[in-house]
Amino acid sequence: DGGITQSPKYLFRKEGQNVTLSCEQNLNHDAMYWYRQDPGQGLRLIYYSQIVNDFQKGDIAEGYSVSREKKESFPLTVTSAQKNPTAFYLCASISQDGGRRYGYTFGSGTRLTVV
Amino acid sequence: LAKTTQPISMDSYEGQEVNITCSHNNIATNDYITWYQQFPSQGPRFIIQGYKTKVTNEVASLFIPADRKSSTLSLPRVSLSDTAVYYCLVGPEGIGSSNTGKLIFGQGTTLQVKP
Repeated sequence: DGGITQSPKYLFRKEGQNVTLSCEQNLNHDAMYWYRQDPGQGLRLIYYSQIVNDFQKGDIAEGYSVSREKKESFPLTVTSAQKNPTAFYLCASISQDGGRRYGYTFGSGTRLTVV
Repeated sequence: LAKTTQPISMDSYEGQEVNITCSHNNIATNDYITWYQQFPSQGPRFIIQGYKTKVTNEVASLFIPADRKSSTLSLPRVSLSDTAVYYCLVGPEGIGSSNTGKLIFGQGTTLQVKP
């Protein structure tokens, strides 16, 4: 079955560490996105990419970095510059020609905790 | 970007029909209305999308009046498993669109279905 795989499901980060969250999709979708969700809040856009080797900042990009070397993969690095990284991170993708019928497909998320 | 307003929470009982209304006064001509469902610690799931009038699928119906300044998600005969957060989103999605991932997720409506 096609879908989005996020790993790991749970991640613990020490102060000052960089950590990378994985997002892989086998849907042949062009565009991919990273969102952050805090308890009781909606989703906030961190970064997005519409095509390989290109990506754009979202509303809360500071302290995060991404790459898009392959269509299937869109990893997110949470750097030590992100002062409050504890949150639930969601990766999503969408087909540019199928958005009307299917909308965004989301992964199951990674819960990051600073220890 | 069109901002949406929806109730923070709603209660219902099993077997009832639930209607969740979303206001989007500044909707643009090329905007679609999309609803997502999110369970705790999971990514949102696409429910339904529409542009005008009425759309129905196996899960829900979406009613959009002629002025498109609001929309109503209708869930027929809810069950306990429909307890979730429901998000109303407005943005450019559709075949051939150049959507840049700027969909805004608000706090959503937390639906609690009681036995």
